[in-house]
Amino acid sequence: SQQGEEDPQALSIQEGENATMNCSYKTSINNLQWYRQNSGRGLVHLILIRSNEREKHSGRLRVTLDTSKKSSSLLITASRAADTASYFCATDAISGQNFVFGPGTRLSVLP
Amino acid sequence: KAGVTQTPRYLIKTRGQQVTLSCSPISGHRSVSWYQQTPGQGLQFLFEYFSETQRNKGNFPGRFSGRQFSNSRSEMNVSTLELGDSALYLCASSPQGITDTQYFGPGTRLTVL
Repeated sequence: SQQGEEDPQALSIQEGENATMNCSYKTSINNLQWYRQNSGRGLVHLILIRSNEREKHSGRLRVTLDTSKKSSSLLITASRAADTASYFCATDAISGQNFVFGPGTRLSVLP
Repeated sequence: KAGVTQTPRYLIKTRGQQVTLSCSPISGHRSVSWYQQTPGQGLQFLFEYFSETQRNKGNFPGRFSGRQFSNSRSEMNVSTLELGDSALYLCASSPQGITDTQYFGPGTRLTVL
């Protein structure tokens, strides 16, 4: 079964608005990563946050990690039409030797 | 640096056949991982190779196998193809492995008829 679960499954916003996506997981992890996938550029790594970190920024992206709640959030500020894509969280569990993607959030940014 | 390349990009096979997919990692990357993506199951981890050794493995049957060569290039083989094997197969390379940033190739779209 998948360890990561994204919420919401789909999100539609206007350009300039912020988009927030959430990810929950079930077991203790080493780190959590966020990826973006669109038809033009394939799967692209966005940001990695380690289990001992609580927040990380990269450009317009802000990721938080709450290991006590086993959850993470990805915030995209001032969204653009080019941000339209599916966003996935992925985790590697401390106990296992596996790498698990969540089902993804489909983000549509309307001009 | 050149990105991760995968060949072929598209493939059509029939049930019962076998298929081999190829992945060339970014120069200097020693880890190559393989993933299957389907609309129903999403992205699933198949296995990871590091310095020619399988280091991690997902929950796929033995029909799915792989190998890595001394130049870090990797191949994935699926034997006795089933209709459910139709998917986008992605490979990713990384300097250290799946716990680090992975760089994905464009994928091979496999259709099993």
